[in-house]
Formats: sequence, structure tokens, C-alpha cells
Amino acid sequence: DTEVTQTPKHLVMGMTNKKSLKCEQHMGHRAMYWYKQKAKKPPELMFVYSYEKLSINESVPSRFSPECPNSSLLNLHLHALQPEDSALYLCASRVIGVNTEAFFGQGTRLTVV
Amino acid sequence: AQSVTQLDSHVSVSEGTPVLLRCNYSSSYSPSLFWYVQHPNKGLQLLLKYTSAATLVKGINGFEAEFKKSETSFHLTKPSAHMSDAAEYFCVVSDRGNTDKLIFGTGTRLQVFP
Repeated sequence: DTEVTQTPKHLVMGMTNKKSLKCEQHMGHRAMYWYKQKAKKPPELMFVYSYEKLSINESVPSRFSPECPNSSLLNLHLHALQPEDSALYLCASRVIGVNTEAFFGQGTRLTVV
Repeated sequence: AQSVTQLDSHVSVSEGTPVLLRCNYSSSYSPSLFWYVQHPNKGLQLLLKYTSAATLVKGINGFEAEFKKSETSFHLTKPSAHMSDAAEYFCVVSDRGNTDKLIFGTGTRLQVFP
């Protein structure tokens, strides 16, 4: 199984809502990532979990809250988002190490209204 | 610090003609380099990777890339473009200063005309 599964595929939420994005992998990877991607731009790193501990937070606003409950699951909790947060949110996982590639999920297309 | 520069934001080719997508890197160390492809509204798929073994790397779907240290380049090529190759392509380097990070180029959009 070389898949990273993200749910939901699409999400529309109001600015006062609370929602969560979910990511799951069963490849035994101990590094998991959240990226945000705007149209016609490369993915921007948001968070990295390494051995289930937050290792990188790229100065992301606190309305985004990551969680890694176990080595297979990664969540991104969303609260009080702004319309400019509308984007494709990508999850990735990777064997820890400099020579290893990341495996990406298909993404969640988020629209904030 | 490591970085990658994709020299063309947009490349157009005719179906059946060669593809060349250019990437230059900057690194104080021997880099690990990757090429990813992204079709519209999809995730990223690994095409190939270089990790200091053979300098000519073969990937999926007929793509290959050659690591040239003297030119600090890792250009992606394919002998004959197919309509299905139309997508966004990202050159990526692994950050040896922080091995959790992958550093993305700005991307090249490949358009294939019939």
C-alpha cells in the first residue's frame, strides 16, 4: 500500500465553522506533512510531524491546528478561517532521511465562504 | 542553504516532440533531487529521484533526468511528448540542513499540442 488518503476531497465552510481535515497512511512513514497550495503556485509547507511530534511550524496562524494522534494519522483542525485560506491542502508522508521521497495524497479542496 | 530554480514557468511542445524542463540547484552538499508531476486538482506524483548513485536517472512514463554537478543542473527530458503529459512539474531538493524539509521550485507548466 503506497497510498496517502485524504478526506474529505472537497470542503466548503463558513468563517465561523470548525472543521477537520484527515490524512492517513499505512506505509510506516514517521514523517508527515501538511502543505497549502494556491492556484498556479508550488506547495507551501505548513507543518511537519516527525515521530508523532511537531518538528516544524512555518509560522502558520493559530486558526490552523495540527494533530498527530498516532503514526498513521494526521489531522488539521480548522477554526475561524478567512476566505484567503481557500486552497488545496495536501498531506504527505515520508521515511525520515535526506534521500527519501515524499508520497502525497490527492488533497482537500477547501473553500471558505 | 539549498534551493532550486526552474528556468521556465511555461513550456509548450507538440505531441511526439521532445520535452525539456530545466532545473538548476544550489547546494553546499551533494544534493538529493526529485521531480514531481501534478495534474490539475490532484496530488503530486514522483517521477524520479537522484540520490548520488547513477547520474542518469530513469523515471516513470518515459521521463529521465541527468544530474550534472559541473552545471548544477537536473533537467527533465522525455523523447516524445504525449497529450497526457500536460501538467505542472516541480523540481525539489531535500534540505540537508533540516532533513524534514523539501524545497520546491516554482514549477513549470507543460502544455502539449496535438
